[in-house]
Amino acid sequence: ETGVTQSPTHLIKTRGQQVTLRCSSQSGHNTVSWYQQALGQGPQFIFQYYREEENGRGNFPPRFSGLQFPNYSSELNVNALELDDSALYLCASSFGGAGELFFGEGSRLTVL
Amino acid sequence: GQSLEQPSEVTAVEGAIVQINCTYQTSGFYGLSWYQQHDGGAPTFLSYNGLDGLEETGRFSSFLSRSDSYGYLLLQELQMKDSASYFCAVRSTGSARQLTFGSGTQLTVLP
Repeated sequence: ETGVTQSPTHLIKTRGQQVTLRCSSQSGHNTVSWYQQALGQGPQFIFQYYREEENGRGNFPPRFSGLQFPNYSSELNVNALELDDSALYLCASSFGGAGELFFGEGSRLTVL
Repeated sequence: GQSLEQPSEVTAVEGAIVQINCTYQTSGFYGLSWYQQHDGGAPTFLSYNGLDGLEETGRFSSFLSRSDSYGYLLLQELQMKDSASYFCAVRSTGSARQLTFGSGTQLTVLP
């Protein structure tokens, strides 16, 4: 158990809809990063938040957006869902961003 | 950018030793990490090499050669519970120091 919790664990959406995924970071961690993991692939970096500011972004379009709250919890929002957005979305917390990542169990999104 | 290569599958028997190799290409390098992920589970941190050489943590060891852009994870005294996917990952030079993961190696441990 890493202390990182994500919700919901599974969800099904249709193309064009919007989704919000939530993450509570491990106590004492001030940095949250989000990764997308397609089936059979490694996690791909979406973006990272440090003290409520986005401080890094991977190769994902603007319809992927996020927030970090004062308690360091975080949200990932995806607008205009596409079929290729079907994946496991992983949240990871760390202290300062350069250390070991502690991952949650993920939210599995299916887009029909 | 970064790219990593690792074998897609490895099979070994209980009690054996297995080595999972990882080669990488990166424009900047801050170290090589290894993560384990069981089916449907969260990736969990195993090891980190920031400098050349061997790091040992119990049954797991990891090695790095920065001059060869190469590393490996060594698992000794394999147990059935070691069946999982193993990912190598390099940390970028960007402001977020984000990890770039390889595609993973599926390790199957047979009785």
